This record gives sequence, structure tokens and C-alpha cells, in this order.
Amino acid sequence: EDKVVQSPLSLVVHEGDTVTLNCSYEVTNFRSLLWYKQEKKAPTFLFMLTSSGIEKKSGRLSSILDKKELFSILNITATQTGDSAVYLCAVIRGGADGLTFGKGTHLIIQP
Amino acid sequence: NAGVTQTPKFQVLKTGQSMTLQCAQDMNHEYMSWYRQDPGMGLRLIHYSVGAGITDQGEVPNGYNVSRSTTEDFPLRLLSAAPSQTSVYFCASSYLAGGLYEQYFGPGTRLTVT
Repeated sequence: EDKVVQSPLSLVVHEGDTVTLNCSYEVTNFRSLLWYKQEKKAPTFLFMLTSSGIEKKSGRLSSILDKKELFSILNITATQTGDSAVYLCAVIRGGADGLTFGKGTHLIIQP
Repeated sequence: NAGVTQTPKFQVLKTGQSMTLQCAQDMNHEYMSWYRQDPGMGLRLIHYSVGAGITDQGEVPNGYNVSRSTTEDFPLRLLSAAPSQTSVYFCASSYLAGGLYEQYFGPGTRLTVT
């Protein structure tokens, strides 16, 4: 059975800290891994990672995929209270049957 | 572009009632899908469609029907609502060019079944 496991499930840090969120997966016919941010509404797309070892970066957020060890990390540097959200990891398989999501990491940034 | 739109935003049903959740997209995406999100469970795929006239089941299809008569619309029907269907429902769409790409989500419908 395909699995996407995120850790930690929740995390509380102070503003300015750097956080690393983890996502490991076991899926057949892996194609890509995606990160989404969800703030009490619809998930919004952050990154799609298909190739191993290539970092994707957007401002203070970055992510990298390791296809050999079957995991990805999402880094957020100099965190701000606006980064508080649930971060979702999802995997696309080679077919068209949708995304398989992890349960998410609930990140709380305290001022 | 409005992107992906969903109606209604909120709905309360009694057990046994039926209803249709509406989803539309204006991005000409071939692929559309429905997810439900429950606390501690993440998002789970209910049904999906790779184009007009083609639908298939996802991980949790029981109690739901879909149809895709046009590229733009993908309604989700609850046949006989049960309390276990209390959830937040998200519709999503995506390009489909040799495989799936990132999906764009609608704002969600919060459904309560009493």
C-alpha cells in the first residue's frame, strides 16, 4: 500500500527560527512530490520536485528531493508568524489517479 | 480567471438526504478530482476524471457519485448522506500532459450531516 509520512505532525517555534519539515514516501511508480501550504482554507501550491538532488527555492522556503532514500525536506528560514499553517506533502504516481497526501505538519510560529 | 470554484461553501444535511456539490474550473484543465479532508487523516481522493465523459474511483468512493459532461464542471453527488460524510470537500484541477502536474484547489465546502 502506498504511504506518505510526514514528521513532525506538529511543531511550535519562535519567530526567526529555521524549521525543517520531513516527508518520506513508499509509492509504486513514483513520478513527483509536491508541497502545499494550507491556512484554514484550500491548499496552495509551493513546490513540485521530480529530480533528485535539485533544490527548489522561493524566498525563505526551499525544498529538495532524495529519490534514493525516498524522502523530501521543506526548509523555512527566518520564520514569520505568517508561516503558521499546515504543510502538506503529496506524491504523484505515474498514472492519473490523483495525489496521495501525508497527514501534514501543523507549524505554529510564536511571536 | 476565477480558477476553481465550489458551491456551496457550507451545507448542513440530515441523514438520508441527498445533495450535489458543484465544482467548476475555467483553466481548461483536463483533469479534475474530489478530495475529502478529515482531522488527522489528510486529504483523501474520492473520484477523479481525466476528461469529459471519463471518471474513475479514488481511495474513498463509497456513497458518492460523479459525472463529467463538460471540461469545466465536475459535480459530486451524495446519494444518501451519513454522519460519516461530515467533512470538508475540496475540488481540484490540473493539466494532464503525459502525467499529472500540480493540482489547483477550490475553496472547499464544509459539510455537516446530522
